Amino acid sequence: DAGVIQSPRHEVTEMGQEVTLRCKPISGHNSLFWYRQTMMRGLELLIYFNNNVPIDDSGMPEDRFSAKMPNASFSTLKIQPSEPRDSAVYFCASSPASAADGYTFGSGTRLTVV
Amino acid sequence: QKEVEQDPGPLSVPEGAIVSLNCTYSNSAFQYFMWYRQYSRKGPELLMYTYSSGNKEDGRFTAQVDKSSKYISLFIRDSQPSDSATYLCAMSLYNQGGKLIFGQGTELSVKP
Repeated sequence: DAGVIQSPRHEVTEMGQEVTLRCKPISGHNSLFWYRQTMMRGLELLIYFNNNVPIDDSGMPEDRFSAKMPNASFSTLKIQPSEPRDSAVYFCASSPASAADGYTFGSGTRLTVV
Repeated sequence: QKEVEQDPGPLSVPEGAIVSLNCTYSNSAFQYFMWYRQYSRKGPELLMYTYSSGNKEDGRFTAQVDKSSKYISLFIRDSQPSDSATYLCAMSLYNQGGKLIFGQGTELSVKP
C-alpha cells in the first residue's frame, strides 16, 4: 500500500493567489482528515469527512478555506485568496472504521505564502 | 484553555535514560488515547493506543492513562538516539469515525 499521498510536497505562492492541496487516502479507509501544523499552534484539525461526507468543519479558519471529497479516493483543500498567515504544513490523514487502527498521515504539504 | 495540554519541551536526555512524556486534558468524555511519533519533515505515525484507564506496554514503550486525574503518560525505557522525534498525545471521544485532538507535541532529543 502506498499510504496516504499528498501533493504537492512544497508550495510557494504569492499572497492573494489560489492554492489547492490534494490528497489520496488509503483505499478502504472510511474517514479523511485535514490538519494544519505550525510551531505556535501545533496540529489543528480543519475538517473531516466520513464516507465522503463532511462531518465537522468547525476548524476551518475562514471562508477562504474550502474542502471537498468528491469520491472515496480523492480530496482537496483550497485556500482562496491565500495570505502569509496561512503558511504551515498541511497534513491529510485517513482512518479505517476503528480508532484503534489509528490515523495514517501523509507526508504533508509545506505551504509558504509570500 | 486548550482541550489537551502538552509541554512542548525541548527535552534532552542521554542515551539509555528513562523518558517520561505527559499530557493533561480537560474533557472527561475522552475514551481513546494515543501517542504519535513524528520525525522531522514527516507525518505523525501511531506509536501506542489505549482505551480508557490503565497501562499498556509495547517493548521499550509504556502508555499509562489515569482518567480520574485526566492525565496520560508515555514512558520510554533505555532510550536510543533513534527515539529523537516529536511525540504527540492524541485523544478521541469515539472509536469509529471520530476526530482526534492532539497535544502540542514534545520534542525529544536523545544524545549518544
